[in-house]
Amino acid sequence: NAGVTQTPKFRVLKTGQSMTLLCAQDMNHEYMYWYRQDPGMGLRLIHYSVGEGTTAKGEVPDGYNVSRLKKQNFLLGLESAAPSQTSVYFCASGDTSGANVLTFGAGSRLTVL
Amino acid sequence: GQNIDQPTEMTATEGAIVQINCTYQTSGFNGLFWYQQHAGEAPTFLSYNVLDGLEEKGRFSSFLSRSKGYSYLLLKELQMKDSASYLCATTDSNYQLIWGAGTKLIIKP
Repeated sequence: NAGVTQTPKFRVLKTGQSMTLLCAQDMNHEYMYWYRQDPGMGLRLIHYSVGEGTTAKGEVPDGYNVSRLKKQNFLLGLESAAPSQTSVYFCASGDTSGANVLTFGAGSRLTVL
Repeated sequence: GQNIDQPTEMTATEGAIVQINCTYQTSGFNGLFWYQQHAGEAPTFLSYNVLDGLEEKGRFSSFLSRSKGYSYLLLKELQMKDSASYLCATTDSNYQLIWGAGTKLIIKP
């Protein structure tokens, strides 16, 4: 049972480049989330999804887009990367019986130069 | 407004007891959550309180007072592997989690 898998684990981008982070979960969870974690700050919600085909904005959505075409996958896109998007990104999932009891992926460390 | 406060760092001795406090303000309370995060790893769920009082789970206990906007995580019989950051979180008006910055717990032999 893999749980939540994120790819890639590390990536270095130049300003203006685009990329996609992939999150896959095998627990049949309805809810999926993308967070960023920066030093000295709490996890901040970027976008989330409450089911296949749905997405919603979180606290810091600007500069990011998401898609949930399949229940098990949640993609996070950076349209034009900026140095302010240098961060560790975590994907998480939860089921309907305990939506905020989350299972997290291992994280993706992104550096934008 | 919405806010979560917890100490930045705490130090304790192996075998001892430590209490990590968390105060919160939110417009959409639907539970108080504690997660553990070892350095360089993902957060993992520890406990959840929705009613006032103490919830015990092995060496870890969590307390909630909704009227005071206050929670604590109590760790007993500390082990070196308990060295980690402990994240306090509660819900906003959209029932999404809002997170404190975490308390880094350092365990000394």
